[in-house]
Amino acid sequence: GAGVSQSPRYKVAKRGQDVALRCDPISGHVSLFWYQQALGQGPEFLTYFQNEAQLDKSGLPSDRFFAERPEGSVSTLKIQRTQQEDSAVYLCASSQTGSDGYTFGSGTRLTVV
Amino acid sequence: AQSVTQLGSHVSVSEGALVLLRCNYSSSVPPYLFWYVQYPNQGLQLLLKYTSAATLVKGINGFEAEFKKSETSFHLTKPSAHMSDAAEYFCAVSADSGGSNYKLTFGKGTLLTVNP
Repeated sequence: GAGVSQSPRYKVAKRGQDVALRCDPISGHVSLFWYQQALGQGPEFLTYFQNEAQLDKSGLPSDRFFAERPEGSVSTLKIQRTQQEDSAVYLCASSQTGSDGYTFGSGTRLTVV
Repeated sequence: AQSVTQLGSHVSVSEGALVLLRCNYSSSVPPYLFWYVQYPNQGLQLLLKYTSAATLVKGINGFEAEFKKSETSFHLTKPSAHMSDAAEYFCAVSADSGGSNYKLTFGKGTLLTVNP
């Protein structure tokens, strides 16, 4: 596609519920990233894929967070047993090279109630 | 480790006035530097980037930024503000420390308000 597509745009989850956030990167982009943006803050790195390989997951806040990109294109960020502190905008980005600036999606705003 | 400090969480200018958004970085290796803009309920759009070529970088929408190594700064400027420039602006750094130059570290952002 022409841009990075994320779905859903908004998600309200009850505390304890599992959620799955989808990212469809720009076609042909090798690198894919997930960032978390809390209210009033800059985005913070969560994880990085090069094709289907997850090369860096150092930013995932806990073992409740899991990301995958099984075929090297679409990626899913899964959060198990959501908690209120997980409320944030989750941004996906993709890049040809991984170091030359990304193209971001519009994000998924997750609210845990 | 790398970090970014954006001075001023909120900047207000009049339409037609100079825009100056400040960014200072910390990096143990030569950095790549970026400015992104975020409009409400949207993702981040790349305005410009410095990747060790010319120190004065021109971006989209009339913005430019100058890399000053001695001051560890990468301030964003625009000669004349337009109403459509009202948005949040983020400075970011990536540095090839141990092969992790793909990872962006963002500042907390500066909200730009343009008054008519």
